[in-house]
Amino acid sequence: QVTLKESGPGILQPSQTLSLTCTFSGFSLSTYGMGVGWIRQPSGKGLEWLANIWWDDDKYYNPSLKNRLTISKDTSNNQAFLKITNVDTADTATYYCARIESGSYYFDYWGQGVMVTVSS
Amino acid sequence: DIQMTQSPSSMSASLGDTVTINCLASQDIGNYLSWYQQKPGKSPKLMIYGATNLEDGVPSRFSGSRSGSDYSLTINSLGYDDEGIYHCHQYYEYPLTFGSGTKLEIK
Repeated sequence: QVTLKESGPGILQPSQTLSLTCTFSGFSLSTYGMGVGWIRQPSGKGLEWLANIWWDDDKYYNPSLKNRLTISKDTSNNQAFLKITNVDTADTATYYCARIESGSYYFDYWGQGVMVTVSS
Repeated sequence: DIQMTQSPSSMSASLGDTVTINCLASQDIGNYLSWYQQKPGKSPKLMIYGATNLEDGVPSRFSGSRSGSDYSLTINSLGYDDEGIYHCHQYYEYPLTFGSGTKLEIK
């Protein structure tokens, strides 16, 4: 059974760095073809893809966030991470992590999401 | 970036109706298109992948189709449980993109 769960700080101030953790089970990021992506959704708005990381440590980022994103993984502990630097109020959203496989490339399993508020 | 133009943004339909939600891709994405259903306060749930393939466990009332760069999600015999927001998603190339969502209300 595949499960994912996001965790984060809840609230942070503008200019700080947002650190998110995705803890998963039912698959491994050391297995060929497996990947994890991060997607966010401001309240009442649509979904925005942020980044993907693959079993071979290949990484892809949304260029709209320029160089603010860093995705990484800890295969031993079944975790994936996302850091967003220099946050502002526009980064207030629910952040999701989701599983992806290289044979299919769509997000098949999603976490429950974690709400992050950026406020001074 | 590939733009996914989703329509309508919201719709209201009655029990038992058939509804169709559309997504137009700004360039060729082949069949690299998925549909998600999202209930309030919940994460998106995969309904359709590969434009036309029904995810395991999804009722056969749901179907996906493609005509060129136009993609559609059709729901037959609407039930109250079908209420929610539906998102299309292209995974043909990076950056991955989503449609703006369609809010479906059951009258």
